[in-house]
Amino acid sequence: GAVVSQHPSRVICKSGTSVKIECRSLDFQATTMFWYRQFPKQSLMLMATSNEGSKATYEQGVEKDKFLINHASLTLSTLTVTSAHPEDSSFYICSASPTLVGEQYFGPGTRLTVT
Amino acid sequence: EDQVTQSPEALRLQEGESSSLNCSYTVSGLRGLFWYRQDPGKGPEFLFTLYSAGEEKEKERLKATLTKKESFLHITAPKPEDSATYLCAPQGGAQKLVFGQGTRLTINP
Repeated sequence: GAVVSQHPSRVICKSGTSVKIECRSLDFQATTMFWYRQFPKQSLMLMATSNEGSKATYEQGVEKDKFLINHASLTLSTLTVTSAHPEDSSFYICSASPTLVGEQYFGPGTRLTVT
Repeated sequence: EDQVTQSPEALRLQEGESSSLNCSYTVSGLRGLFWYRQDPGKGPEFLFTLYSAGEEKEKERLKATLTKKESFLHITAPKPEDSATYLCAPQGGAQKLVFGQGTRLTINP
């Protein structure tokens, strides 16, 4: 149980284009979903928290107009990286939680490379 | 400000050599402390949740314990497949997990 999927697992895009990453909770309804990014040999950095049907809450320093988050249903959240630049290249990981407070279950991650 | 420090940063053990990983934290209104395992290029895998000081949880060769300021992950007779980065993450009042830098564990056969 508690499986979270992400798609795509890898994506390469050209600078200036937009990329959408999907995060799905497969066997539970996710009250809250989270988006993280991780640079090589570093820990996870929280980007934003989203609750179904409401606007995402972004962490300080994260540009909300660049990283668009939509939590359309209790099983799906999407992250769109708009006008991607090489410095946006990173490992993006989502997590989902079935409760307001409690463990988060992570997806397998998406490796984004912007050329 | 919430802070988490994990030590050591990296640890190499021989197969069967037991050891402990440390997680020191300062978090306001601790709701729970989570341990995850992360393999290279993958998302973290949930291991344990600890809610109160004195609590212990076990899973195969792993045992997690919690005090008011620290958590320990004890690894007994590890095998090469236990090699991974282990992350601890206390959760404060804002629901967010505060991740440590992790301990990179390598078990040599």
